[in-house]
Amino acid sequence: DGGITQSPKYLFRKEGQNVTLSCEQNLNHDAMYWYRQDPGQGLRLIYYSQIVNDFQKGDIAEGYSVSREKKESFPLTVTSAQKNPTAFYLCASSGTSGTATGELFFGEGSRLTVL
Amino acid sequence: RKEVEQDPGPFNVPEGATVAFNCTYSNSASQSFFWYRQDCRKEPKLLMSVYSSGNEDGRFTAQLNRASQYISLLIRDSKLSDSATYLCVVNSNTGFQKLVFGTGTRLLVSP
Repeated sequence: DGGITQSPKYLFRKEGQNVTLSCEQNLNHDAMYWYRQDPGQGLRLIYYSQIVNDFQKGDIAEGYSVSREKKESFPLTVTSAQKNPTAFYLCASSGTSGTATGELFFGEGSRLTVL
Repeated sequence: RKEVEQDPGPFNVPEGATVAFNCTYSNSASQSFFWYRQDCRKEPKLLMSVYSSGNEDGRFTAQLNRASQYISLLIRDSKLSDSATYLCVVNSNTGFQKLVFGTGTRLLVSP
């Protein structure tokens, strides 16, 4: 079955450590996205990528980095520079016209807690 | 002002009730509108698109009012399984077509 796989589902880290969240899709989608969700706030766009080897900052990119070396993969690194990293992170993908149709396919999310 | 605003709820309704949510958006250039559903601690999933002429999918009806810049979602004959958070989503149409998510309206359907 096609879909998006995020790992790990739960992650704990100490302050000052970088962590990388994995996102893999087998939907053959061109575009991939990373969102962050905090209680009482809507999903906020961190980074997005429309094609391989290209990505752009979203609204809250500071303290995060990404890569898009393969179409299927879009990992997100939460660096120690991110001031408040505890959140629910969601990876999504869409076909070329995905955002026009509004259909994003989300992974199950990764819940990061900084201790 | 937030680009997309929703009443967070929760809306507590009995099974069989009809419930409606509104969502307002600030960018008059927005072209596309959607409702997503998110279950507790799960990922959002597309529920339905919202067309200018309104659209219906079973018990769910979505409407768009461009003049007043709001969209609505009506759920008839509520089921226990409708309990979830409903996210209003607007395509902001600024260069790369960015989807802006509302904070969501929580619905609790009780027996």
